[in-house]
Amino acid sequence: ILNVEQSPQSLNVQEGDSTNFTCSFPSSNFYALHWYRWETAKSPEALFVMTLNGDEKKKGRISATLNTKEGYSYLYIKGSQPEDSATYLCAFGSGNTGKLIFGQGTTLQVKP
Amino acid sequence: KAGVTQTPRYLIKTRGQQVTLSCSPISGHRSVSWYQQTPGQGLQFLFEYFSETQRNKGNFPGRFSGRQFSNSRSEMNVSTLELGDSALYLCASSPGRTDTQYFGPGTRLTVL
Repeated sequence: ILNVEQSPQSLNVQEGDSTNFTCSFPSSNFYALHWYRWETAKSPEALFVMTLNGDEKKKGRISATLNTKEGYSYLYIKGSQPEDSATYLCAFGSGNTGKLIFGQGTTLQVKP
Repeated sequence: KAGVTQTPRYLIKTRGQQVTLSCSPISGHRSVSWYQQTPGQGLQFLFEYFSETQRNKGNFPGRFSGRQFSNSRSEMNVSTLELGDSALYLCASSPGRTDTQYFGPGTRLTVL
């Protein structure tokens, strides 16, 4: 059974703090690692798709890194803002399929 | 470009009934995947459809079925509903099987 683990489960930070989350996934049969942001009452929003070991992606204040050999990815948020409050999900894509295995998510609360 | 749409948005059924949920993908997207979200379980993969064929199925009983039409629209059906089927059902579309998946708003199913 493929397992994707995210930590921490939840995080409360002050506006302006920088923060990071971890996603651990199986290192075998890796195809892609996806990051999503899910705000309450909205659809999950795609942030990044990473496929190559050592990949680094950036979107505004948010960036992500990927290590496929050891099976982890980090998501960083620089200078958190209240609008960054959401659940951040990572999803493991195995093989050449559209099946994604999601972690439980990290819920971020940014206080003004 | 219009996003992924799902109908209905909310549904209340009683145990033993059956239900059909609909998903219209982004124009040009050929791959549709379905996920179930229940409290404490995270997003769990149900099915993947590509070119009208089910390519993958998650670990769900046979009461859960689906199909995809030639215009890439997809439906999922749950027969003999159980209380535990109460969940948010999300569909996601992508151009190809391994591309970024774009999620719809979901259908909230409540089984009484």
